[in-house]
Amino acid sequence: EPEVTQTPSHQVTQMGQEVILRCVPISNHLYFYWYRQILGQKVEFLVSFYNNEISEKSEIFDDQFSVERPDGSNFTLKIRSTKLEDSAMYFCASSDRGTAYGYTFGSGTRLTVV
Amino acid sequence: AQTVTQSQPEMSVQEAETVTLSCTYDTSESDYYLFWYKQPPSRQMILVIRQEAYKQQNATENRFSVNFQKAAKSFSLKISDSQLGDAAMYFCAYRSGNSGYALNFGKGTSLLVTP
Repeated sequence: EPEVTQTPSHQVTQMGQEVILRCVPISNHLYFYWYRQILGQKVEFLVSFYNNEISEKSEIFDDQFSVERPDGSNFTLKIRSTKLEDSAMYFCASSDRGTAYGYTFGSGTRLTVV
Repeated sequence: AQTVTQSQPEMSVQEAETVTLSCTYDTSESDYYLFWYKQPPSRQMILVIRQEAYKQQNATENRFSVNFQKAAKSFSLKISDSQLGDAAMYFCAYRSGNSGYALNFGKGTSLLVTP
């Protein structure tokens, strides 16, 4: 079964540093997403991406965040200057266009900001 | 914005028994989709079951079924013949049929399965 692959599985970074989280969506999917889950809390939507541009973003997705699809396979989330409160599990997901059947999520990247 | 409420922070069920997890949501839309996701200790999000709001028939996937009450805005998950591997966090999620593909999650219910 096709998978969404995320790397790294765990990243530790110092406050103020830039981090890039990487994802390889399912190859024939057209919509890509990032979600985050702060420990013990619900999963929150960050951003969706389609046709090489952001199609939707939440209030959480401020100027500190950016997304990119640098080539035909990777989808990245960049946090420019990390804060302690950015510590969370970050999930990438992808879906087929117009699907009513939800997404496929990756296994997540645990980001720890120290 | 749509609100998804899971009123049961924790539930417990004995192996082989049946358990129902509740979910209610608030929306003014008529076209939408509802999902249950499972998050085991590995923290991966796994789709359990989905329901289109326009379908009256309740979705079923093996031991998992839903009770979708559109008028009451309720979407409960029933797990039959519970297994130890069912122990996980369960999240209910809403997706608009009209405005974007973002999933709006509830806070989750932690399900414990006892032998």
